[in-house]
Parts: sequence; structure tokens; C-alpha cells
Amino acid sequence: ETGVTQTPRHLVMGMTNKKSLKCEQHLGHNAMYWYKQSAKKPLELMFVYSLEERVENNSVPSRFSPECPNSSHLFLHLHTLQPEDSALYLCASSQDLGTINQPQHFGDGTRLSIL
Amino acid sequence: KQEVTQIPAALSVPEGENLVLNCSFTDSAIYNLQWFRQDPGKGLTSLLLIQSSQREQTSGRLNASLDKSSGRSTLYIAASQPGDSATYLCAVRSNDYKLSFGAGTTVTVRA
Repeated sequence: ETGVTQTPRHLVMGMTNKKSLKCEQHLGHNAMYWYKQSAKKPLELMFVYSLEERVENNSVPSRFSPECPNSSHLFLHLHTLQPEDSALYLCASSQDLGTINQPQHFGDGTRLSIL
Repeated sequence: KQEVTQIPAALSVPEGENLVLNCSFTDSAIYNLQWFRQDPGKGLTSLLLIQSSQREQTSGRLNASLDKSSGRSTLYIAASQPGDSATYLCAVRSNDYKLSFGAGTTVTVRA
């Protein structure tokens, strides 16, 4: 496989459930990102990891918990979510944080629906 | 804080017509600007990246211009095809690693 792969593609969960989103990149990149895309709104950056260390938490509620066990994998653990958390969650990677003119590469996202 | 605006929010054109998509940003101190395409239910595909020192970038039927001083970029798609139907997003890199995105322009090309 190549590129950035996200699983599952769709997820429906109740507000009291616990679930995890997974992202895997096969590009040899060192930086990984989580974004939230709500309908008709710009993408919102949630978390940034560089070499497995979190460098950004963009005021995200604690019911979202990221994990980066190695530079190829990124998880987003979900717990006690709210209906307004229903959105498309996108993972991206880039070569590293410091190289300015390298594009970010995105996965196809996980469509999350909270009942 | 960088604000990115894309107008119009939606656009419908007949096949063969040229497309003009606009992006504006409030802070002209940018490193680069990137145009993405997003198909329904899919992630983002990078189309063009214009560095701050460049005025334009071209790839096939796509041409993107950048006027940093006025805070504007325009994406031109020549001779549109139904396969060009998608949402087009622009994103600005102002500092460190963060991208500021616009809300996108949804394009429909009618056959």
C-alpha cells in the first residue's frame, strides 16, 4: 500500500461508547496530523506529532485522545463524544515540520456519526 | 490569526467552460499557498503548491496564481469536464507547520 490509509471509513457510535480511529502512512514521513472537517466549515487542526512526540494540541477537548506509537501510525481514541463531534476526521502526514514547501498528504478520512 | 475565504461557496458551469476559483487571505506573510481537491467522502488531493516567491504554478489544465501583497490566489481550470466536479480548497501556510484552510468551493460541471 502507498499513501495515507485510515480505518474505519465509517463509524457510528453512541455517546457512551469508546472507539479508536487509526491512521497509517507508508511515505516514510516524520510528521502526522489529525484534522476535523465539519459540514461547510474549514478544516480544523486538532493534533500534530513530530517523530512520535505531540507538538500541538489545538484546544481539543479531552474526550479526544491521540496516540502515536511510531512514526508510521497515529490513533485517535474517542470517549464520551457529543453529537457536535460528528464530522469527517482526516489524517495527514508530511516529511517533517521544518521543511516549508513540502505538501501534506491526506487520507480519505473516517466519517464519524454520534447518535 | 490567518483567515482564509473562498468565494463563491458553490459554482455550476456547463462542460467546456473555464473555471475561476478565488481564495483570499488576511495576513500576507505566508510561506506558501496550496490548492487541494476533495471528492465526496474522500480526503484531500494536493493539486498545486505555490511558494511565496512564485507568482504562479501550472499543471496540465490547472493554473494557480498568487498575489501575496493583496492576499489573493486564483485557480483557473481550463476547458472544464464533468470529472472536474469536486470541492476545491485552498490552504495557506503562514508560520511553522500550520495550514489555514478556506471552507472550499464546490464545483459542478454539467455535461
